[in-house]
Amino acid sequence: QKEVEQNSGPLSVPEGAIASLNCTYSDRVSQSFFWYRQYSGKSPELIMSIYSNGDKEDGRFTAQLNKASQYVSLLIRDSQPSDSATYLCAVNRDNYGQNFVFGPGTRLSVLP
Amino acid sequence: EAGVTQFPSHSVIEKGQTVTLRCDPISGHDNLYWYRRVMGKEIKFLLHFVKESKQDESGMPNNRFLAERTGGTYSTLKVQPAELEDSGVYFCASSHEQGAEKLFFGSGTQLSVL
Repeated sequence: QKEVEQNSGPLSVPEGAIASLNCTYSDRVSQSFFWYRQYSGKSPELIMSIYSNGDKEDGRFTAQLNKASQYVSLLIRDSQPSDSATYLCAVNRDNYGQNFVFGPGTRLSVLP
Repeated sequence: EAGVTQFPSHSVIEKGQTVTLRCDPISGHDNLYWYRRVMGKEIKFLLHFVKESKQDESGMPNNRFLAERTGGTYSTLKVQPAELEDSGVYFCASSHEQGAEKLFFGSGTQLSVL
């Protein structure tokens, strides 16, 4: 079993819809969770972080964490074509250092 | 403020040759990381510098890989001799503090070993 799993996609949603990206992780001691967005040929860019169970909202983005189920998700409301990218889920076992474990990424395509 | 820069952006070499990748972190960032993504796989951690010291090199795949950060500024990652399975994208990232939200990535070096 991989440490961090994501559906590779592509996930296609129409413009204006809600895109839902999912991630599961295997290490129960994981403490912090991140979503990175990566456009083709560009560097990963942090868009959301979450540390405790529940929802965290930032603009059109909502991260959801359920540690009991070892599940973290990212919702993108009012999806725009500019949201089309690969979304990487990253898990860190502690808050010191960035020995992240990344998932393979989900490719999102928002159709105009 | 300049971001994390990596050079070269692409490198194509033959098996058995040597390649050196360079990373210039954001000025003042003590923490520097190397990650890589091989074809079809996830991004994996290679090592972490704090200034010029290797804090964690548990992700380095074997002794063909050598990372240095002389003077605690830029870092190099040398692969010698390169093998086919070394092909992938090598990312560098830096942070000022060890808080994960402050990690900035470079755009990577695409390495192709033929």
